[in-house]
Amino acid sequence: AQSVTQPDIHITVSEGASLELRCNYSYGATPYLFWYVQSPGQGLQLLLKYFSGDTLVQGIKGFEAEFKRSQSSFNLRKPSVHWSDAAEYFCAVGPYLSNFGNEKLTFGTGTRLTIIP
Amino acid sequence: DTEVTQTPKHLVMGMTNKKSLKCEQHMGHRAMYWYKQKAKKPPELMFVYSYEKLSINESVPSRFSPECPNSSLLNLHLHALQPEDSALYLCASSQEFRTGATRSGNTIYFGEGSWLTVV
Repeated sequence: AQSVTQPDIHITVSEGASLELRCNYSYGATPYLFWYVQSPGQGLQLLLKYFSGDTLVQGIKGFEAEFKRSQSSFNLRKPSVHWSDAAEYFCAVGPYLSNFGNEKLTFGTGTRLTIIP
Repeated sequence: DTEVTQTPKHLVMGMTNKKSLKCEQHMGHRAMYWYKQKAKKPPELMFVYSYEKLSINESVPSRFSPECPNSSLLNLHLHALQPEDSALYLCASSQEFRTGATRSGNTIYFGEGSWLTVV
């Protein structure tokens, strides 16, 4: 079964500093990987996704993520955070379908990002 | 335009009430989803509709009743809920929801959610 681990429950970063949020997945084949962001009281917004091709993907709001197959990771990065980036970040994996599978997303438990002035 | 619209944004209901949550998308997507999210937790899948037919029910109690009147609309009818059902209910959509030996790459787009409080 597929699984997603976000090892950091809560991260605090100073405004203007760089950010890296970790995501590790477990899956038997090449997964499809997503990062979503959820601001307080809001729904989930898609930041970026990886399906195939270039392992460094660019997303909205200046975020990027790198797929590393050897490390089963898909870490999210931003060179300089803004106070508006404070939110909950979810990594998710979608399956390469098998005869017995279906297209359900598996979410990590989330990382809460706090920005300090 | 990747917009999924949900109404109402906030709903307070008693345990004997009947109410509905509504969701609409105009992206031509043929799969629609209901998720439930408790505070500080990831979303949990409840139902999936594919081409207006119920494809997945994740063993959700019958006091939650989904309905897909057409390819753009998705409702969640609520009846005799419990206080522990209070949560953020998220609607989502994607181009398709596939099963079987087909490589996919489907992206799911979420709405802003409906905050439900059961008193």
